[in-house]
Amino acid sequence: GQQVKQSSPSLTVQEGGILILNCDYENDMFDYFAWYKKYPDNSPTLLISVRSNVDKREDGRFTVFLNKSGKHFSLHITASQPEDTAVYLCAAGDQQGTGSKLSFGKGAKLTVSP
Amino acid sequence: GPKVLQIPSHQIIDMGQMVTLNCDPVSNHLYFYWYKQILGQQMEFLVNFYNGKVMEKSKLFKDQFSVERPDGSYFTLKIQPTALEDSAVYFCASSLRLGGEQNTLYFGAGTRLSVL
Repeated sequence: GQQVKQSSPSLTVQEGGILILNCDYENDMFDYFAWYKKYPDNSPTLLISVRSNVDKREDGRFTVFLNKSGKHFSLHITASQPEDTAVYLCAAGDQQGTGSKLSFGKGAKLTVSP
Repeated sequence: GPKVLQIPSHQIIDMGQMVTLNCDPVSNHLYFYWYKQILGQQMEFLVNFYNGKVMEKSKLFKDQFSVERPDGSYFTLKIQPTALEDSAVYFCASSLRLGGEQNTLYFGAGTRLSVL
């Protein structure tokens, strides 16, 4: 079955707005959680990641929150910009066990309108 | 940032023929991966490779699939023979380490394989 599930496959936000992307996972062994950003016909690129020993990590306009008891993590983007328009993929993995074998969500297409 | 290059970006092939997908990983990386994404689905792990050997493979990595990195050049995925269900985008990735720090996966832009 699908180990990582993303809700809201498509969403739109106005420039300057705040948005939240959500991801749920099933495997208790996951200890690494990441968000990748992908432009059309380009490579998925790591945006931000967090390990299970923390529940929040901030990098500029991007913050990832981890809720281990709820098996849920999210990406918050503040002050949205048109260049944020892309597909966002959540991913999780068991870094201590099987290493860098990541399980991905299907992706959420974000459109930031000017 | 570090770049992973995949050649070609699109390949069309007749069912039953052999195809080789090429990946030029980040130059100092030691671990290499292939992921498969069927249209409308999530990217799924196929295989990882280190020091000339397959370390781990998923159920999607059929007997018709093989990987190698001869002489430290391209990391390749070969499918022989191809089947219709092999049509997908194949993403290559590389990392410096496996797990822990410096484990970030860097992906290529993918090769879209169309099996007719």
